[in-house]
Amino acid sequence: EDQVTQSPEALRLQEGESSSLNCSYTVSGLRGLFWYRQDPGKGPEFLFTLYSAGEEKEKERLKATLTKKESFLHITAPKPEDSATYLCAVQSNSGGYQKVTFGTGTKLQVIP
Amino acid sequence: EADIYQTPRYLVIGTGKKITLECSQTMGHDKMYWYQQDPGMELHLIHYSYGVNSTEKGDLSSESTVSRIRTEHFPLTLESARPSHTSQYLCASSAGAGIWVTEAFFGQGTRLTVV
Repeated sequence: EDQVTQSPEALRLQEGESSSLNCSYTVSGLRGLFWYRQDPGKGPEFLFTLYSAGEEKEKERLKATLTKKESFLHITAPKPEDSATYLCAVQSNSGGYQKVTFGTGTKLQVIP
Repeated sequence: EADIYQTPRYLVIGTGKKITLECSQTMGHDKMYWYQQDPGMELHLIHYSYGVNSTEKGDLSSESTVSRIRTEHFPLTLESARPSHTSQYLCASSAGAGIWVTEAFFGQGTRLTVV
């Protein structure tokens, strides 16, 4: 069974204090790893898709990286507007093509 | 910005009532999904569709039903609401040919409370 574990559960940063969020996964044949941002009371917003180990993608202050067992979301010099819950999800070869497994997320708070 | 809409945003309803949660997308996506999310918990897939007249149950057992008569519309119905159905319901769609899922675009969600 596919598993996705995100850490830490919550993270509080000062504005400008860079850090990383972790997504560890156990899957049978990774087809894709997704990062989403979710604001309170709203649906998740797509950020990145990573397909193979060594791949990196960047968007503004965010950079996502992928290894064979985990993904990191690096946040450089965060601003208060980066405060949100960041979700990681994986799609694998097992369980059929419809199966995307989500983690429980990391709740990020950036203090001015 | 994603063009996928859910109504209502919030719903408080009594036990035993029939409800329909609406979801529409204007992106022409064939694939659509319904997820359930409780506070602090992961999203669980309850229904999905790969096109008109195609519907399947997801991982999480649900007493709800769905229909897909038009590409853009994917409503979810609860015949008899119960307090255990209280949750946030998220609709999503994704593009891409073939059987694999690409990134999903989510609606704003419907927060359902059954009293």
